[in-house]
Amino acid sequence: GAVVSQHPSRVICKSGTSVKIECRSLDFQATTMFWYRQFPKQSLMLMATSNEGSKATYEQGVEKDKFLINHASLTLSTLTVTSAHPEDSSFYICSARTDTQYFGPGTRLTVL
Amino acid sequence: AQSVSQHNHHVILSEAASLELGCNYSYGGTVNLFWYVQYPGQHLQLLLKYFSGDPLVKGIKGFEAEFIKSKFSFNLRKPSVQWSDTAEYFCAVKPYGGYQKVTFGIGTKLQVIP
Repeated sequence: GAVVSQHPSRVICKSGTSVKIECRSLDFQATTMFWYRQFPKQSLMLMATSNEGSKATYEQGVEKDKFLINHASLTLSTLTVTSAHPEDSSFYICSARTDTQYFGPGTRLTVL
Repeated sequence: AQSVSQHNHHVILSEAASLELGCNYSYGGTVNLFWYVQYPGQHLQLLLKYFSGDPLVKGIKGFEAEFIKSKFSFNLRKPSVQWSDTAEYFCAVKPYGGYQKVTFGIGTKLQVIP
């Protein structure tokens, strides 16, 4: 099946710094990738839809200036959490879609 | 907009017991339906999916799900669970169409006791 990778799997940073998370589709091309946050005991929350070669589409309530998304190629999308704060600590998951969404392993971000 | 509800948030079963996890969705049109599984410490994996055709869908590891359009349901079943089925299960729905978004249920945590 389709494989999606994320890097890093875990990151700890200081408040005020920026963190970049990479999402790659390893064996297929994805014109569309998605970024989610997963909160404990809650469902996946879609943050934004990343479209190759164009601007990302953000869900209501998600700050586009804080969560910068770049979809530079058909196999790579990046999420940069700018000026991270402790409330940004979460589990971030990307997915890439053919006719089905395939998920990356997630990135655990902890902001101190 | 579509929504998904999973009725059981935490299910505990003994090995060899039968499993049925409920999933209902709200959307008036044609949908694609999915069940994903997240094993402890691992990422979400596709268990099975329904696009069209036979409403009884068979997935990996002996799981199956039945789409009942009149009930807007897509319940997941397994006749005999194993300890290795301990995981969190997410139902998801996507309206038919290339650019539609997938909506996930809140998840059901299944704990299988040896």
